[in-house]
Amino acid sequence: SAVISQKPSRDICQRGTSLTIQCQVDSQVTMMFWYRQQPGQSLTLIATANQGSEATYESGFVIDKFPISRPNLTFSTLTVSNMSPEDSSIYLCSALDGSNTEAFFGQGTRLTVV
Amino acid sequence: QKEVEQNSGPLSVPEGAIASLNCTYSDRGSQSFFWYRQYSGKSPELIMSIYSNGDKEDGRFTAQLNKASQYVSLLIRDSQPSDSATYLCAITDTGGFKTIFGAGTRLFVKA
Repeated sequence: SAVISQKPSRDICQRGTSLTIQCQVDSQVTMMFWYRQQPGQSLTLIATANQGSEATYESGFVIDKFPISRPNLTFSTLTVSNMSPEDSSIYLCSALDGSNTEAFFGQGTRLTVV
Repeated sequence: QKEVEQNSGPLSVPEGAIASLNCTYSDRGSQSFFWYRQYSGKSPELIMSIYSNGDKEDGRFTAQLNKASQYVSLLIRDSQPSDSATYLCAITDTGGFKTIFGAGTRLFVKA
């Protein structure tokens, strides 16, 4: 399957600031997603990143807090805005393989908000 | 009711034994089912996918699917200490694109 490069791998941020996470796939993919994994928890889908249009957010997640861009079929960004300690989590970029069935992941971004 | 339910464990088995992991799901429209392995501090890695009722074997891993019972399982034969990880059951939603994860089962294989 394709390889996803995600950066930064980790960051420590001050509350009230914003962080943008980048996700680069080494081949074109149709579907890209952003997940959050809070400590000791499973993966929660934040949104589907749609190429050329606004992202589709899951219940409990809003664009003002988690703006997402997807300018082309290989790249997406997630911004965590106006951060609070509750946003401390691992954020994972995901894409579907060529058959659009199996999800694979970037290495994740470990975010700590202080 | 959560969409994907798993026993959080931990499940502890001796080296060489069979580890059995179970999962139930609520969306009858789901067509794709997966098992991911996640080592501590790492991202999930797909180890098995299954799309039709019955068993699917890949090396030491066997996935079992029963759509009527909305049940998926993973058997790991000849368990090794390197199998110690969290195993995440996942399904695609009715639309077929979004992958929904269970809470995961922590597996410990004792040497």
